Amino acid sequence: DTAVSQTPKYLVTQMGNDKSIKCEQNLGHDTMYWYKQDSKKFLKIMFSYNNKELIINETVPNRFSPKSPDKAHLNLHINSLELGDSAVYFCASSQDAWGTADTQYFGPGTRLTVL
Amino acid sequence: DQQVKQNSPSLSVQEGRISILNCDYTNSMFDYFLWYKKYPAEGPTFLISISSIKDKNEDGRFTVFLNKSAKHLSLHIVPSQPGDSAVYFCAASPGTSYGKLTFGQGTILTVHP
Repeated sequence: DTAVSQTPKYLVTQMGNDKSIKCEQNLGHDTMYWYKQDSKKFLKIMFSYNNKELIINETVPNRFSPKSPDKAHLNLHINSLELGDSAVYFCASSQDAWGTADTQYFGPGTRLTVL
Repeated sequence: DQQVKQNSPSLSVQEGRISILNCDYTNSMFDYFLWYKKYPAEGPTFLISISSIKDKNEDGRFTVFLNKSAKHLSLHIVPSQPGDSAVYFCAASPGTSYGKLTFGQGTILTVHP
């Protein structure tokens, strides 16, 4: 049983297109995250949702819009894709996000390539 | 402005020997630190953590040391095994950060049989 799953695993698309990446967790966790791993390999947090409520929103272009239909799902929609959006995107979840950093469980990542 | 840095991109160690991975941070507000391990084509998996009230935490072959005055932490793996070959990420968080982790860029560990 995959704890945190992402689809698709690979995504190749043209500049200017709109695309979505889906994430689901079956751990019963309350908090979900999106991270971007750039070409320099740093993992940087983009968004976090706790029980469908946005709690972390880093400095990310507003072309990126997370959507959480329920606490088990956090999808990432990207409008007007640019070359610089090429990266690996990781979804993660944790039991809660209050007080201290809880251990986060990561999905396998989605490699996005914008041509 | 990278607040968590892993200055060694790679480390090569013989099986059975000790692996020492290092991490430096600059933000004095960080008080919780974690190490994650990542295999190719998989997401990072949690390995071990340490709170700033401690200077050492041990879990089997893995020990994390924290030197707050130097803003430095290290992960020791003893003895190293070929299955430990992976990318190791250091991460840090302020206590009330709503789970906001700041990651280093990772160190590739290769353990040779």
